[in-house]
Amino acid sequence: NAGVTQTPKFQVLKTGQSMTLQCAQDMNHNSMYWYRQDPGMGLRLIYYSASEGTTDKGEVPNGYNVSRLNKREFSLRLESAAPSQTSVYFCASQRGVQETQYFGPGTRLLVL
Amino acid sequence: DAKTTQPPSMDCAEGRAANLPCNHSTISGNEYVYWYRQIHSQGPQYIIHGLKNNETNEMASLIITEDRKSSTLILPHATLRDTAVYYCIVRVPTSTQGGSEKLVFGKGMKLTVNP
Repeated sequence: NAGVTQTPKFQVLKTGQSMTLQCAQDMNHNSMYWYRQDPGMGLRLIYYSASEGTTDKGEVPNGYNVSRLNKREFSLRLESAAPSQTSVYFCASQRGVQETQYFGPGTRLLVL
Repeated sequence: DAKTTQPPSMDCAEGRAANLPCNHSTISGNEYVYWYRQIHSQGPQYIIHGLKNNETNEMASLIITEDRKSSTLILPHATLRDTAVYYCIVRVPTSTQGGSEKLVFGKGMKLTVNP
């Protein structure tokens, strides 16, 4: 039982490049989340998926798209990376309403 | 959204109890208080949560005041490995019908456990 896994662990992009951050969970959780964390700040919600087949915007969705590929996987795509998207990205999953959220180890993204 | 207020930092001696305060004066009746911590730049780790009553688990205790406007996380015997940023969070229901709740993180409080 690996919990929440994220790939890659670290990535460097040039401005304008695209990439997809992958997240998977093996806990059969219904809900999944993408957060970003900037230096010295708390986490901010980008997008979430309450259940398979649904996605909703969070606090800072601009510049991102998501796909809930199946119950296990929730990917985050940057179509045209910008330096302002340099951050650490965390994926989380949750079994159901009022249940605990569990976080992955994070992806560190640097956009030059 | 209910907001939380925590001091920016706190020191504690190893082996002593660490009492981490949090104010959430605008909390609604159905909102839970959650505590997470983040060690270095790892993913946040769940510690404990509660609604009205005091809660205890293998990691910590949570004391919530009767008016629910504040709470205290207690680490009974702090160790060096407890050095981390601690987040006090009020659970906010999402707008999606039947959907799950998002976590609203503030800047948290840096706890440093000293030898």
